Amino acid sequence: AQSVTQLGSHVSVSEGALVLLRCNYSSSVPPYLFWYVQYPNQGLQLLLKYTSAATLVKGINGFEAEFKKSETSFHLTKPSAHMSDAAEYFCAVTNSGNTPLVFGKGTRLSVIA
Amino acid sequence: SAVISQKPSRDICQRGTSLTIQCQVDSQVTMMFWYRQQPGQSLTLIATANQGSEATYESGFVIDKFPISRPNLTFSTLTVSNMSPEDSSIYLCSVRQRQGIETQYFGPGTRLLVL
Repeated sequence: AQSVTQLGSHVSVSEGALVLLRCNYSSSVPPYLFWYVQYPNQGLQLLLKYTSAATLVKGINGFEAEFKKSETSFHLTKPSAHMSDAAEYFCAVTNSGNTPLVFGKGTRLSVIA
Repeated sequence: SAVISQKPSRDICQRGTSLTIQCQVDSQVTMMFWYRQQPGQSLTLIATANQGSEATYESGFVIDKFPISRPNLTFSTLTVSNMSPEDSSIYLCSVRQRQGIETQYFGPGTRLLVL
C-alpha cells in the first residue's frame, strides 16, 4: 500500500525566503511522485512530477523537488518565495498508470510581506 | 495537457434533492476519476469512471448515492443524490493522460453547498 505524509499542515515564510515543503512517501515498488498546487477557489494544478529520469525535477513557477530514495522523500523547494505562491500544496504518489493517486493531507503556504 | 471543464462551477441545494455535475475534457484520456474535497481537507477518491460500464467505487462510496456515467472517452457525470449538509464539498473531475508517464490533471471543481 502506498501513502504520503506531508509534514506541517501550515508553513509560513517571508517574501524572498526559501520555501521548503516536506513530503515523505511509502511504496513497495518504485513510485511516481507528483506535487500539485491549489489556489483559493480553484482546482489542482500540476507543479511537477518525478518519472525516474532524473532525481532533481524542475517544475513551473520556479519550484523544484528532489527525489531521495534513501530518505523516501520528495520535498518541494523554491529559492525565493513570492506573494503569489500562497496556496495549498499537495504531494501525491502512485505505482502505475492504473493505480489511483494517493494524496497527502496538504500544506498551506503563507507568504508574509 | 488536458483541459477539463466542469458544470456547474458552484451550486446551493436543498437537502433531499440531487445534483448532476458534468465533466468534459478536450482530448481522449485513459482514465477519468471523481474526487471529493471537504472543507479544509485533502482529496478523497470517490470512484473511477469507466467508459461503457459501471464505475469502480472506493470504500465508503456507493452507486446509489453517487451514480456516475461515462458514455464516451471525453465526458462523465457525477450525481450527488438525496443530498444532506454533509455532502457540502468541492467535487473534482480528474483525468489521466500519457505524457511520458501517466499524468493526472484536475478540473476546476464544483463547489456544492447543501442547506
